[in-house]
Amino acid sequence: KQEVTQIPAALSVPEGENLVLNCSFTDSAIYNLQWFRQDPGKGLTSLLLIQSSQREQTSGRLNASLDKSSGRSTLYIAASQPGDSATYLCAVLLSGNTPLVFGKGTRLSVIA
Amino acid sequence: NAGVTQTPKFQVLKTGQSMTLQCAQDMNHNSMYWYRQDPGMGLRLIYYSASEGTTDKGEVPDGYNVSRLKKQNFLLGLESAAPSQTSVYFCASSYIAGSSYNEQFFGPGTRLTVL
Repeated sequence: KQEVTQIPAALSVPEGENLVLNCSFTDSAIYNLQWFRQDPGKGLTSLLLIQSSQREQTSGRLNASLDKSSGRSTLYIAASQPGDSATYLCAVLLSGNTPLVFGKGTRLSVIA
Repeated sequence: NAGVTQTPKFQVLKTGQSMTLQCAQDMNHNSMYWYRQDPGMGLRLIYYSASEGTTDKGEVPDGYNVSRLKKQNFLLGLESAAPSQTSVYFCASSYIAGSSYNEQFFGPGTRLTVL
């Protein structure tokens, strides 16, 4: 059974710092991996989608990498801002119409 | 585009009552999903639908039923609500065609309390 782990569960950093969030998965045979952001009391917002054939994706200050062989993905946030404070979740898709498998998220606080 | 919308946003039920949570998407997605999110448990899949008229059980289907009569709508029913069903419910949709698996989009959620 695919398991997705996100470490740390919570992270607090000062504004302006570059940071890395980690995601690991047990089954490397994935189709894609998706990073989401969730603000308190809100739904999930898709940040980046990495297909299994890709190594990384970038959007603004965000960069996500994927290493299937080691079962790892990282989300790099450059020059963090207080508005980046949220919970970040990663999820993997195994195949076909199987549903996404989610990690429990990393709660990020960026202190001004 | 409105994306994925859910109604209601909040609901309080008494034990044993029934209700239907509604989800609609205007992105012409073929796949739709219902999740529940509980503290410490993360997101868990209740049911999903790969296409209009088809549904499959997810990780925690007991106590729920679903209906996908139209491509744009996915309904989640609670026949006899229990306090254990107190949760935040999210609907999501995505487009899957052949070997192309695109990102999932989520609705804003329904906060359900069962007393």
